[in-house]
Amino acid sequence: QKEVEQDPGPLSVPEGAIVSLNCTYSNSAFQYFMWYRQYSRKGPELLMYTYSSGNKEDGRFTAQVDKSSKYISLFIRDSQPSDSATYLCAGSKAAGNKLTFGGGTRVLVKP
Amino acid sequence: EADIYQTPRYLVIGTGKKITLECSQTMGHDKMYWYQQDPGMELHLIHYSYGVNSTEKGDLSSESTVSRIRTEHFPLTLESARPSHTSQYLCASAGHDRESGKNIQYFGAGTRLSVL
Repeated sequence: QKEVEQDPGPLSVPEGAIVSLNCTYSNSAFQYFMWYRQYSRKGPELLMYTYSSGNKEDGRFTAQVDKSSKYISLFIRDSQPSDSATYLCAGSKAAGNKLTFGGGTRVLVKP
Repeated sequence: EADIYQTPRYLVIGTGKKITLECSQTMGHDKMYWYQQDPGMELHLIHYSYGVNSTEKGDLSSESTVSRIRTEHFPLTLESARPSHTSQYLCASAGHDRESGKNIQYFGAGTRLSVL
């Protein structure tokens, strides 16, 4: 069983819709959770960074962590075609330590 | 924007050749990582380093080797490339981000390796 699981998609939505992405994880020691965005043929870039359970909002992006159910979510409001990318969730036991990634969900926002 | 650089971006090479993928960062980060990623697949950690002269194998077994002689440089070497080594190799470094106050892992653009 993988430590971090994601639905690979693709998830196709019309422009302006809310994109909802989810991950589950199995390692109870994870304290830090991240969402990375990866465009085709590029390296991942950090989108959201959260510690423990709770919500975090940054512009059109909201990240949620529920440690009791080991569930991580990312919501993208007012989605744009430029949001089309693969979204990777990751967890780590301590700040700055190695990350364990999910397989990524490919998102396609259609104009 | 992260200052982490990988060269070459693309490499096509024949079986049996020795190759070195370069990775450099100018942020003074102690922690550096190498990941392997096949198209459309997840990232697998193959090597990491927490400082000079410190290297460890990652979660995925790899025939590659790494060295960390200088803080800013973390090259990956394949002594004898094979078609099974065809993949994308991503380098990352992690350290304290002054703006956010968080420890963040930054990625390079990757090297896409094809072994014929």
